[in-house]
Amino acid sequence: EVQLVESGGGLVQPGGSLRLSCAASGFPFSSYIMNWVRQAPGKGLQWVSYINSGSTTIHYADSVKGRFTISRDNAKNSLYLQMNSLRDEDTAVYYCARGGYCGGDCYSDWGQGTLVTVSS
Amino acid sequence: EIVLTQSPATLSLSPGERATLSCRASRSVSSYLAWYQQKPGQAPRLLIYDASNRATGIPARFSGSGSGTDFTLTISGLEPEDFAVYYCQQRSSWPPTFGQGTKLEIK
Repeated sequence: EVQLVESGGGLVQPGGSLRLSCAASGFPFSSYIMNWVRQAPGKGLQWVSYINSGSTTIHYADSVKGRFTISRDNAKNSLYLQMNSLRDEDTAVYYCARGGYCGGDCYSDWGQGTLVTVSS
Repeated sequence: EIVLTQSPATLSLSPGERATLSCRASRSVSSYLAWYQQKPGQAPRLLIYDASNRATGIPARFSGSGSGTDFTLTISGLEPEDFAVYYCQQRSSWPPTFGQGTKLEIK
């Protein structure tokens, strides 16, 4: 069974930093594209970042480019999101999502999410 | 970026009825459109990919159609567990984008 478990969320002041983690199990993690997708409270879904299996291709949403860094450790079956210079508008539940079907560009499996709250 | 507009915003139907949800793209996405279901407090679940292909384990009452700019998700014979929010998502061009969602509620 595919499992994705996010951690690292919490309350942080504007301008602060957080590092999110996603622990994967139940599938060959090193073979899959991974993404971060977020959802602000009461709002819709927004794709945040993409990383391919070998970390050679990375994409970011314009809204986080230059502030967030996605990475992965295939030996540890883990995905990360380093978030710096956080803003109020970054407040959201952050999901890690496995790229399955669609050549990896659809999100076949999701974690339960971790809440990031940016507030003074 | 491609904007996806879903309609209606809210759809009120009774169990057993047929639901038709629409997603319109600001420019052609070919068939590169997916549909997700999200229940309160849960992560989204992939239902349909590439416009008309059901993901593993998705019941046959869910079907997708369309290409280019106009897409439809049909749920034939609503079950109580189908009442949720539905999102479309395009992968035709970067960045991938989602529609704003359609809430399917019990009438």
